[in-house]
Amino acid sequence: DSGVTQTPKHLITATGQRVTLRCSPRSGDLSVYWYQQSLDQGLQFLIQYYNGEERAKGNILERFSAQQFPDLHSELNLSSLELGDSALYFCASSVSSGRNEQFFGPGTRLTVL
Amino acid sequence: TQLLEQSPQFLSIQEGENLTVYCNSSSVFSSLQWYRQEPGEGPVLLVTVVTGGEVKKLKRLTFQFGDARKDSSLHITAAQPGDTGLYLCAAEMDSSYKLIFGSGTRLLVRP
Repeated sequence: DSGVTQTPKHLITATGQRVTLRCSPRSGDLSVYWYQQSLDQGLQFLIQYYNGEERAKGNILERFSAQQFPDLHSELNLSSLELGDSALYFCASSVSSGRNEQFFGPGTRLTVL
Repeated sequence: TQLLEQSPQFLSIQEGENLTVYCNSSSVFSSLQWYRQEPGEGPVLLVTVVTGGEVKKLKRLTFQFGDARKDSSLHITAAQPGDTGLYLCAAEMDSSYKLIFGSGTRLLVRP
């Protein structure tokens, strides 16, 4: 158990819908990272938040957004969903200093029908 | 184009055999990490290497960082079925806080 929690574990929805994925980092970690993992693309970095502020952005679509709240939990919002958005979405956290060692949650499996 | 190239992509071996997987780039890394991921779960950090030429051991796993800090290898001695999984290398290349992951080596150890 990494100490990072993610909900829900599974999510099935339809095209055009909007969903919210939730992540709670390890106790004491200030940084939260979101990744998308699909079979053909591997693990792709989406976005990072540090202590409530956006710090780094990766290949995140404009239909996707995230935020980190004062209690440090984070949410990833996916809207106007398409079939191609079906993937595993992982959250990771780190202390965010030095070596950037990240600890991953169990992931949310999103299926868009 | 992958910034981090991992090879081989797939490896199927018999229990007790040795194996090496590689992670290569044309860029210099400030540090490099190896993760293992099992189906349906998140990646788990195995090790971080920082210094060029560094070697770290974790039981039957030996990790090496290239002298120029552009490549790394993971060697497993006497592989066991419990070693089965996806091995990922990851690097932070430009102090951008983004970790770039390789495409992974999928290892199957047959009993």
